[in-house]
Amino acid sequence: NAGVTQTPKFQVLKTGQSMTLQCAQDMNHEYMSWYRQDPGMGLRLIHYSVGAGITDQGEVPNGYNVSRSTTEDFPLRLLSAAPSQTSVYFCASSYSKLSQETQYFGPGTRLLVL
Amino acid sequence: AQSVTQLGSHVSVSEGALVLLRCNYSSSVPPYLFWYVQYPNQGLQLLLKYTSAATLVKGINGFEAEFKKSETSFHLTKPSAHMSDAAEYFCAVGGSARQLTFGSGTQLTVLP
Repeated sequence: NAGVTQTPKFQVLKTGQSMTLQCAQDMNHEYMSWYRQDPGMGLRLIHYSVGAGITDQGEVPNGYNVSRSTTEDFPLRLLSAAPSQTSVYFCASSYSKLSQETQYFGPGTRLLVL
Repeated sequence: AQSVTQLGSHVSVSEGALVLLRCNYSSSVPPYLFWYVQYPNQGLQLLLKYTSAATLVKGINGFEAEFKKSETSFHLTKPSAHMSDAAEYFCAVGGSARQLTFGSGTQLTVLP
């Protein structure tokens, strides 16, 4: 199993550009989520999904869209990038939506918005 | 509502010394508690978790944590630090919400 994979590893954008961060898992996990990590702030939840076709907002959803058309994939879209979205983005998955489940994290995408 | 406070954003210990990373939580329901570790330029991986079974939880790499309800704490310890333990450590709480709330992290430095 590859686990949770993310692409790209690093991206530079200009303000106003759009892009999609890809996330895939091959563990047949029901729950997937996106976090952003900023210095001194830990990880903050952006969006999450409890199954194909079902998504919901986390703590910091503004400026981001998600969809979940398959169990395996959970892309994160930045519609119009802003410097405040410069961060490291992590995708995670777990077997179920229950909060006691272990989450498995991808290696991250470093995004720089100029 | 749930929250996590990690005391000390940076902790330095000598190799072979005790490691103690502090975590206090707030939760309106019985919590699930986690410690994750992040090595440089990598994602997070689970060290250990408490899910209402034994209050003393043993994890990987010799780490353990004790759930103390009266103190709302879940401190992480390791008797003897190794150079390979240098990393950032995150405490997280899960409860009624379908999501985890993470602390701000503690960077552990191990001195030779």
